Amino acid sequence: GAGVSQTPSNKVTEKGKYVELRCDPISGHTALYWYRQSLGQGPEFLIYFQGTGAADDSGLPNDRFFAVRPEGSVSTLKIQRTERGDSAVYLCASSQGTAGEQYFGPGTRLTVT
Amino acid sequence: AQSVTQLGSHVSVSEGALVLLRCNYSSSVPPYLFWYVQYPNQGLQLLLKYTTGATLVKGINGFEAEFKKSETSFHLTKPSAHMSDAAEYFCAVRPNRDDKIIFGKGTRLHILP
Repeated sequence: GAGVSQTPSNKVTEKGKYVELRCDPISGHTALYWYRQSLGQGPEFLIYFQGTGAADDSGLPNDRFFAVRPEGSVSTLKIQRTERGDSAVYLCASSQGTAGEQYFGPGTRLTVT
Repeated sequence: AQSVTQLGSHVSVSEGALVLLRCNYSSSVPPYLFWYVQYPNQGLQLLLKYTTGATLVKGINGFEAEFKKSETSFHLTKPSAHMSDAAEYFCAVRPNRDDKIIFGKGTRLHILP
């Protein structure tokens, strides 16, 4: 079956612009996670959803970052007033329940110029 | 707070030689432990995981890892390296009572012909 998909695969934006990153989880997976992977680092947790609600958003670095999952499936990570330090690969993962194995998408590479 | 330390950001081994990637974690209770592999331009793939029970865990592609509580370690090994094993490897921990995964910084494995 289809895995986790993320769009776009690459996004280049100018400093100060707004961006949206999309994640399509595996069908039927109730939990969805966002991570950020900076160059030379491991993935860093941002936020996760159980269903439509954000169960833990403790990893969001500041209030410029926001994520939604209105129908409990697709999720969008939104970044306002982008900064060069936001440049990273943004990874999405989904699982069947919060204790299940997390399956990762290929990521969106965000470059802020 | 939970943390993961991977010793060596780069490891080189000859084809056919033993692969040993080191991982230590900090945790007050035995956590869930994982090894993920990331091939260039691909998403993270689960190699193996430890939850409870047998401390020697076998994964895909001939890899295995042993949970040693007394050493707070979860080192990854493979008896004989193959060229296709060249990738970045991440050790990760998930606390029992939390659902986010905490990753190490990763070890890039190079296979020498």
